[in-house]
Amino acid sequence: DTAVSQTPKYLVTQMGNDKSIKCEQNLGHDTMYWYKQDSKKFLKIMFSYNNKELIINETVPNRFSPKSPDKAHLNLHINSLELGDSAVYFCASSQGTSGSQFFGPGTRLTVL
Amino acid sequence: DQQVKQNSPSLSVQEGRISILNCDYTNSMFDYFLWYKKYPAEGPTFLISISSIKDKNEDGRFTVFLNKSAKHLSLHIVPSQPGDSAVYFCAAKGAQKLVFGQGTRLTINP
Repeated sequence: DTAVSQTPKYLVTQMGNDKSIKCEQNLGHDTMYWYKQDSKKFLKIMFSYNNKELIINETVPNRFSPKSPDKAHLNLHINSLELGDSAVYFCASSQGTSGSQFFGPGTRLTVL
Repeated sequence: DQQVKQNSPSLSVQEGRISILNCDYTNSMFDYFLWYKKYPAEGPTFLISISSIKDKNEDGRFTVFLNKSAKHLSLHIVPSQPGDSAVYFCAAKGAQKLVFGQGTRLTINP
């Protein structure tokens, strides 16, 4: 009965590779998000989708491409991985943009 | 630019006493403020929120106070319990997104 799930939980890869992280929510929410928590522990929003439509795109490199096949899923594809991409990535969802968001358990990405 | 700041990286409180976590913000356009709790290897969990038109919101042991003139909010936990040991994030909502502080690690000592 997990509300927001992410796969994989851990991802270790080499520089230059392409990888994807998947997110699914079973809460029936309209809005989904991707956040990055860097080494300084700041949680920063990357993208937000409302009903499969991109509504927030922070200054994220083009190598990051979110895809929302339906409103329950928001996947994150990263091309040409760099060392600085190492971080924990969190998916979240909310009903509309009311503020109260439900987070997934996070995916720890390590780029070697 | 850090719009939401939690200046105390850590706080240690004795079980049964009050825990007070603080947060400052710079953007007067934020319309909601939220507190999240995070355990290791888990995602943040929503705790409590407050609208910018209110100055206090209470939910059980948790109370959030908002001082708009000082651009300051605080989370009071009373009485503190061992299970409250976690990292607490303050967040502010504006322009359809949340801006988070860097977190305060709260440790409750028996």
